[in-house]
Amino acid sequence: GENVEQHPSTLSVQEGDSAVIKCTYSDSASNYFPWYKQELGKRPQLIIDIRSNVGEKKDQRIAVTLNKTAKHFSLHITETQPEDSAVYFCAAAGNNNDMRFGAGTRLTVKP
Amino acid sequence: DARVTQTPRHKVTEMGQEVTMRCQPILGHNTVFWYRQTMMQGLELLAYFRNRAPLDDSGMPKDRFSAEMPDATLATLKIQPSEPRDSAVYFCASGFGGNSPLHFGNGTRLTVT
Repeated sequence: GENVEQHPSTLSVQEGDSAVIKCTYSDSASNYFPWYKQELGKRPQLIIDIRSNVGEKKDQRIAVTLNKTAKHFSLHITETQPEDSAVYFCAAAGNNNDMRFGAGTRLTVKP
Repeated sequence: DARVTQTPRHKVTEMGQEVTMRCQPILGHNTVFWYRQTMMQGLELLAYFRNRAPLDDSGMPKDRFSAEMPDATLATLKIQPSEPRDSAVYFCASGFGGNSPLHFGNGTRLTVT
């Protein structure tokens, strides 16, 4: 089955700086890559996703890039704000439509 | 705004007791997933269904866990007998499958003493 690895496990940035989280996947048939944000005590919520027919997608301060050849994708957050502090999860949808998640990145944005 | 509904929100039980967690997926969604999360760690896939049929439950300890979908509006996850190491938050999520996002419920926080 699909295996998703995520780095770093923790990330601390100053408010206004950029944050980058990287993920790799193992199943070359995977074609859907969502990113979820989970605040403390709450459910994971989708913030952005990308499909394999595009290499980049942007939504305001958030962007995702996908390199299918290398089987890795990344989340970029620009102009970070304290409310961006949360745990972020990447995921990949594999051959059987199952969705496997990375181990998560705890992002802290310092005011 | 349609939501995935999970009950109960919290469950405290003693070791050896049976635990049943319920999930009502969003109407029209045909895939349902169960995940387990411990101490804000990763989301471990336990089982998932498509059109009510189990597709993969290899992530579940078979001797004590079971997952079913009695009908399209209800998915259940049972643990019998429960053990302290089962303490975690169990999330249910539903979607349309394929290249579509999953929508998560608020989770069931299980504590086994």
